[in-house]
Amino acid sequence: QKEVEQNSGPLSVPEGAIASLNCTYSDRGSQSFFWYRQYSGKSPELIMSIYSNGDKEDGRFTAQLNKASQYVSLLIRDSQPSDSATYLCAVNQQVQEKLTFGTGTRLTIIP
Amino acid sequence: KAGVTQTPRYLIKTRGQQVTLSCSPISGHRSVSWYQQTPGQGLQFLFEYFSETQRNKGNFPGRFSGRQFSNSRSEMNVSTLELGDSALYLCASSTGATGNTIYFGEGSWLTVV
Repeated sequence: QKEVEQNSGPLSVPEGAIASLNCTYSDRGSQSFFWYRQYSGKSPELIMSIYSNGDKEDGRFTAQLNKASQYVSLLIRDSQPSDSATYLCAVNQQVQEKLTFGTGTRLTIIP
Repeated sequence: KAGVTQTPRYLIKTRGQQVTLSCSPISGHRSVSWYQQTPGQGLQFLFEYFSETQRNKGNFPGRFSGRQFSNSRSEMNVSTLELGDSALYLCASSTGATGNTIYFGEGSWLTVV
């Protein structure tokens, strides 16, 4: 079992709809969870961080964490073509400054 | 404030050569970590330095090494380059506290021919 798993996609969503990205992790002691967005040929850019169970909202983005189910998700509301990118889930597994990444989900927003 | 700066951005090396990549972290950040990204393996952790000491290390061969200077700037070196070392090498910085946000530089694209 991979330490951090994501659906590789591609995931296609109509413009204006909600895009839902999911991630599961294996280390139950993980403390910190991050979503990064990566455009083709660019480096990862932090979108959201979440540390406690529940929802965290920032603009059109909502991160959801359920530690009991070892599940973290990212919702993008009112999806825009500029949201088309690969989204990487990253988990800090109690080791200082070491992130374990999923393989990423490629999201395409269809105009 | 300035972000994480990596140099060089692009480089081409021949198999068997060595390469040194440089990273300047965000001002005030004392932790610098390095990642390798390839299409097949995704983003993989190489190592992390904090206050000039290697604190964590990933599962890479000894050909991959790094160091950190007193001003928190870091370098990573890959010796005896192999074709499979072709990748995007990303430097990231943070304050060093567990769970703190990690910010990435733009990366160094290495092609080994």
